[in-house]
Amino acid sequence: AQSVTQLGSHVSVSEGALVLLRCNYSSSVPPYLFWYVQYPNQGLQLLLKYTSAATLVKGINGFEAEFKKSETSFHLTKPSAHMSDAAEYFCAVSDSGNTPLVFGKGTRLSVIA
Amino acid sequence: DAGVIQSPRHEVTEMGQEVTLRCKPISGHNSLFWYRQTMMRGLELLIYFNNNVPIDDSGMPEDRFSAKMPNASFSTLKIQPSEPRDSAVYFCASSRLAGGPETQYFGPGTRLLVL
Repeated sequence: AQSVTQLGSHVSVSEGALVLLRCNYSSSVPPYLFWYVQYPNQGLQLLLKYTSAATLVKGINGFEAEFKKSETSFHLTKPSAHMSDAAEYFCAVSDSGNTPLVFGKGTRLSVIA
Repeated sequence: DAGVIQSPRHEVTEMGQEVTLRCKPISGHNSLFWYRQTMMRGLELLIYFNNNVPIDDSGMPEDRFSAKMPNASFSTLKIQPSEPRDSAVYFCASSRLAGGPETQYFGPGTRLLVL
């Protein structure tokens, strides 16, 4: 069975500082990994996804994530936080193209001016 | 593209009443997923369809929940009778059915409150 663990339910950073949101996965097969963002009272929007084509994945809004098989990790980073990045971020895993996503508990990012 | 459309956006009902949530997937998508989001359990899958056929409904909490997809452009999730513990945000998502990791596109959700 697949699972995702997001370390830290709440992360707070200063505007302009590095954003690092942690995600570790468990999967018995090579996984597909996703990061989604949820703004208040909205649905989830895809930030980026890992499809085995490249270990460093670039997404929207300046976010990127690196797949590290040896560490079973897929941490999300952004060099410089912006106030508009404040939201809830979800890491998710699936084991094939169209199976449902298994989500982590989410990390709420706060950006301090 | 209109995106995934869900209705209603908000629903307040009393315990014991029937609740019907509706979803229109993105045109051309043939996989549809219903998820539920709560503070306690996070985001969890309820049921999903491929080509209008239910594939996995093991996440449906109990017999009070049922879902249908009569055609490629419409799905419903029904709760009868509703209970306060059903209060949650219900998301519908759709994707193409292909060999690779297709992106699931989420609707805005239906926020359900059962009193």
